[in-house]
Amino acid sequence: QVQLVQSGSELKKPGASVKVSCKASGYTFTQFAMNWVRQAPGQGLEYMGWINTRTGNPTYAQGFTGRFVFFLDTPVNTAYLQISSLKAEDTAVYYCASPVGSGSYYRIWGQGTLVTVSS
Amino acid sequence: NFMLTQPHSVSESPGETVTISCTGSSGSIASNYVQWYQQRPGSAPTVVIYEDNQRPSGVPDRFSGSIDSSSNSASLTISGLKTEDEADYYCQSYDTRYLGVFGGGTKLTVL
Repeated sequence: QVQLVQSGSELKKPGASVKVSCKASGYTFTQFAMNWVRQAPGQGLEYMGWINTRTGNPTYAQGFTGRFVFFLDTPVNTAYLQISSLKAEDTAVYYCASPVGSGSYYRIWGQGTLVTVSS
Repeated sequence: NFMLTQPHSVSESPGETVTISCTGSSGSIASNYVQWYQQRPGSAPTVVIYEDNQRPSGVPDRFSGSIDSSSNSASLTISGLKTEDEADYYCQSYDTRYLGVFGGGTKLTVL
C-alpha cells in the first residue's frame, strides 16, 4: 500500500547536523512532490517547503533557508531533510507528506521523526 | 505573508454541532483550495476535508467544509459530535508562491 516511512528519533548536540529520511513505497516516487512539515513540541504545523521528485529542485518556505536542505536518492525512492548547525529551537517532529493520488494536498504523511537538540 | 487564523480552542457536548473557522489574512481565501487536517496526540495529521468541501473516503459525512468569501474565511463543521472527534484541527491553503500555509490549529474538546 501507499506509505511513507521515516527514520527514527535523533538526539543531537547543538551545532551538529541531522539527516531525516522518508522512504516512499506503493507508488511511482517521481510522480508526486515531497513536502516537509515541522511541529515543535506543543505547537502547530509549520510548512517547510517541498522538493520536485522529478528534477530534485527544492523550494523552501520563509524561515527554512540556509540550514535546511531537501534532497533525494531516487533509485531507492527516498527523500531526505538535512539540518545543519542545529539549535535547541530545532527540536521538533519533522514530517514528510505527499499528495499521492490527490490534486495537491498532503494526502499521505510519514509517521514523523522526533529530532531533539540538547547539550 | 499570507496567514490563516483559527480559534485556539472550541468545546462542545457529544451529539452537538461545532464549527471551526479559518480566516485568511489577505487576498481571497477562495483563490486557492482549503484543506482541513485532524491530528490526534502522538499521530500524524490526516485530511478530513480537501478542496474546500470534499470528503476523502472513510471520513464520515458528519464532517463538512465551506467557504465564505464575504468574511474571507473557511469553516469546518462537525455534526453529531463524538468523543473520538476530540483532536487538533488545522486548516491549510497556499500562498502566492503556492507554498503551503497552515492555520495555528484549533483544539476541539468534546465534553
